[in-house]
Amino acid sequence: GEDVEQSLFLSVREGDSSVINCTYTDSSSTYLYWYKQEPGAGLQLLTYIFSNMDMKQDQRLTVLLNKKDKHLSLRIADTQTGDSAIYFCAQGGSSNTGKLIFGQGTTLQVKP
Amino acid sequence: GAGVSQTPSNKVTEKGKYVELRCDPISGHTALYWYRQSLGQGPEFLIYFQGTGAADDSGLPNDRFFAVRPEGSVSTLKIQRTERGDSAVYLCASSPGQGRSTEAFFGQGTRLTVV
Repeated sequence: GEDVEQSLFLSVREGDSSVINCTYTDSSSTYLYWYKQEPGAGLQLLTYIFSNMDMKQDQRLTVLLNKKDKHLSLRIADTQTGDSAIYFCAQGGSSNTGKLIFGQGTTLQVKP
Repeated sequence: GAGVSQTPSNKVTEKGKYVELRCDPISGHTALYWYRQSLGQGPEFLIYFQGTGAADDSGLPNDRFFAVRPEGSVSTLKIQRTERGDSAVYLCASSPGQGRSTEAFFGQGTRLTVV
């Protein structure tokens, strides 16, 4: 079935790089996504990558996709305290209706 | 409106009662999704509407859950005979159409607590 796995917690120092990892099962997903959720706030789409790409860079964010291993990562350069949040990896469902399958979320703690 | 609006933001109900949760999508968005997020978990898909019809309701956990979107805009998620296990944040999202998930926006959610 469709499943997405993430590590639950990551702690970094301000100014360091953060790398959040994700594995997924459905190789037919057209897009893979990273969402950010801050306390009391809704889900915010951070970035996404098309499945035929290996890498996408957007300012401080770099997404790497290894289709062979079904592994997705999000790197945040120069991590700031404002980056503290829960980060969700998501894959599109195999029916391509726009339905998303989310991981459990990785809590990123940024220490000053 | 400017974004996806969900009401109420919080709802406390007694076990066994009926509740309705409302979602106002972004104007013009034809696709609408409901998700449920339990504490410490990622959002879990419930149902997807394309226009007025439920195109995929495979995520509804049982027949106590039902959703409608009669005019292709506002949607209501209805839960009958609520149970404590239904306590969660219910999220709604909308996008301009099927396959345009990169343009999906989420509402702030309704936090449902069943006591």
